Amino acid sequence: EAGVAQSPRYKIIEKRQSVAFWCNPISGHATLYWYQQILGQGPKLLIQFQNNGVVDDSQLPKDRFSAERLKGVDSTLKIQPAKLEDSAVYLCASSRGQSYNEQFFGPGTRLTVL
Amino acid sequence: EDQVTQSPEALRLQEGESSSLNCSYTVSGLRGLFWYRQDPGKGPEFLFTLYSAGEEKEKERLKATLTKKESFLHITAPKPEDSATYLCAVMPQAGTALIFGKGTTLSVSS
Repeated sequence: EAGVAQSPRYKIIEKRQSVAFWCNPISGHATLYWYQQILGQGPKLLIQFQNNGVVDDSQLPKDRFSAERLKGVDSTLKIQPAKLEDSAVYLCASSRGQSYNEQFFGPGTRLTVL
Repeated sequence: EDQVTQSPEALRLQEGESSSLNCSYTVSGLRGLFWYRQDPGKGPEFLFTLYSAGEEKEKERLKATLTKKESFLHITAPKPEDSATYLCAVMPQAGTALIFGKGTTLSVSS
């Protein structure tokens, strides 16, 4: 079974530029999560999807971050415009559904904002 | 506010020297407590889920236990390949996001 796929793996941008990350979850997994992991910290949820609907986006900085999962499969997370404090690893995770507790993570995208 | 605290932040062991990592939590509810392993440059890798106080789970040299306020990850006779950051997370309610601690970075030298 293929794991969670993410791209790109690394991205370096200047502040105020825009960037997008892509995630393809494990096949058949209905729930998809985006987490932000700052160096030395544990992951923090940005947004949770159930199929193509948003379940929780309470910690998403909506003035600059957006995410979509149009067909209920893969997902895109966008930052526009980026700030220095957005430098972090962006992790995508998936689970079979809201009643299934185990979440499986992708390798992450490391973003550096200069 | 739901909170997860892990200790110590870093732990250095000699190969074969057993020890334990601690995860204490303050949450409104507990659907499950999770342990993950994270290697540098990789995403967290799922290890265990614990659901109720008194529960224990084992995998190779690792054993996770759970009480009402904390969990322990016991490492028996560690090897250098056990070196990684170990993350603890709680799920307050079914289907909600995980709340992670900052992790314990374990280094095992031969």
